[in-house]
Amino acid sequence: GDSVTQMEGPVTLSEEAFLTINCTYTATGYPSLFWYVQYPGEGLQLLLKATKADDKGSNKGFEATYRKETTSFHLEKGSVQVSDSAVYFCALSDRTGGFKTIFGAGTRLFVKA
Amino acid sequence: DARVTQTPRHKVTEMGQEVTMRCQPILGHNTVFWYRQTMMQGLELLAYFRNRAPLDDSGMPKDRFSAEMPDATLATLKIQPSEPRDSAVYFCASGLGGQGHTEAFFGQGTRLTVV
Repeated sequence: GDSVTQMEGPVTLSEEAFLTINCTYTATGYPSLFWYVQYPGEGLQLLLKATKADDKGSNKGFEATYRKETTSFHLEKGSVQVSDSAVYFCALSDRTGGFKTIFGAGTRLFVKA
Repeated sequence: DARVTQTPRHKVTEMGQEVTMRCQPILGHNTVFWYRQTMMQGLELLAYFRNRAPLDDSGMPKDRFSAEMPDATLATLKIQPSEPRDSAVYFCASGLGGQGHTEAFFGQGTRLTVV
């Protein structure tokens, strides 16, 4: 079945450092890919998405490119802020899976001032 | 501002008691998901509905959990009897699916503690 694998955390960075969180997926069809963010005590919020190969999703300085050849959707940000501290989830939604959303395990990010 | 509403936000109950969690999806959304989040297991899909019909509840322990959508504005997740291992945060999410990818909009969750 469909699955998402993302790098284990926690990831600890200093403010203004470069961020990469790796995500790879397995799917039988052609999924749409997502990154969600969860702040303490909150539900998940959509951060960005890409619906087909080579699409780049971007929002709030975060970017991720849908790479079909490597089945990856790595999250990047050039300069993180303390306010980016949260848990980040990679996810997919696939027609052959009935469009249910499958999440990775989440990666916790701590950004130090 | 459209949002998914979950009640209660917090619930503490004794083992063996029945627990009912409620969710009001965003108006117009035709897909509703129930997820459970724990430190050990992460985010698990318990069940989901499309147009109020259950599509997949394979992630749900059938002997004690049940999920329903009595109407388009209400989804419920019930645990009877509850056990300490059910302690978790339960999220409801809704989306518009069936013709393309389903972006999920999450509620703030119900934090359940079974003692």
